[in-house]
Amino acid sequence: DGGITQSPKYLFRKEGQNVTLSCEQNLNHDAMYWYRQDPGQGLRLIYYSQIVNDFQKGDIAEGYSVSREKKESFPLTVTSAQKNPTAFYLCASSMFASGRLHEQFFGPGTRLTVL
Amino acid sequence: KNQVEQSPQSLIILEGKNCTLQCNYTVSPFSNLRWYKQDTGRGPVSLTIMTFSENTKSNGRYTATLDADTKQSSLHITASQLSDSASYICVVRPEYGNKLVFGAGTILRVKS
Repeated sequence: DGGITQSPKYLFRKEGQNVTLSCEQNLNHDAMYWYRQDPGQGLRLIYYSQIVNDFQKGDIAEGYSVSREKKESFPLTVTSAQKNPTAFYLCASSMFASGRLHEQFFGPGTRLTVL
Repeated sequence: KNQVEQSPQSLIILEGKNCTLQCNYTVSPFSNLRWYKQDTGRGPVSLTIMTFSENTKSNGRYTATLDADTKQSSLHITASQLSDSASYICVVRPEYGNKLVFGAGTILRVKS
């Protein structure tokens, strides 16, 4: 898990509610990512950010929002528009050098369940 | 479309036995291929990384091989231990762009 922390570990949400997942890193990494993991599928990229105050949509951004106000923090909000949010959410970070993103280090994950 | 396929989906072996996990990919050209170990309820941790010019890479009892011509990689685990029970994920980084391509993983269970 390195220097990446995610909280909470477990999160329960009622339908129609927005929830925010926290991700913090002390690795001084430039880039941060959010992935969603579902059983039997590979990790899917939701959003990523290469620098502060800038982020890009990944492959499944609909129903999610992010912010990158600080280098060490990249919170993910799961909105009520996300129709099937129950999943395991992983945050990752990496260095960005020579125009390339380097090895990604993953946090311990947050399991979100919609009741 | 860039894809990574892993087999088998799941595997059960006895403690002390060896096993081999497979990864086929269509990503081309690619920059590197990495194998991750993911314990249940935890984030993935990197085991090995290989560039297109490397054929094999070891990390203790884990040995990864790569055949860039056939676009296949394997992860061999020697003398398995109960702590090897986890999901093993093959991940390919394309040469262009910064998005990784993930396989669905192989779930390994080592029993005594």
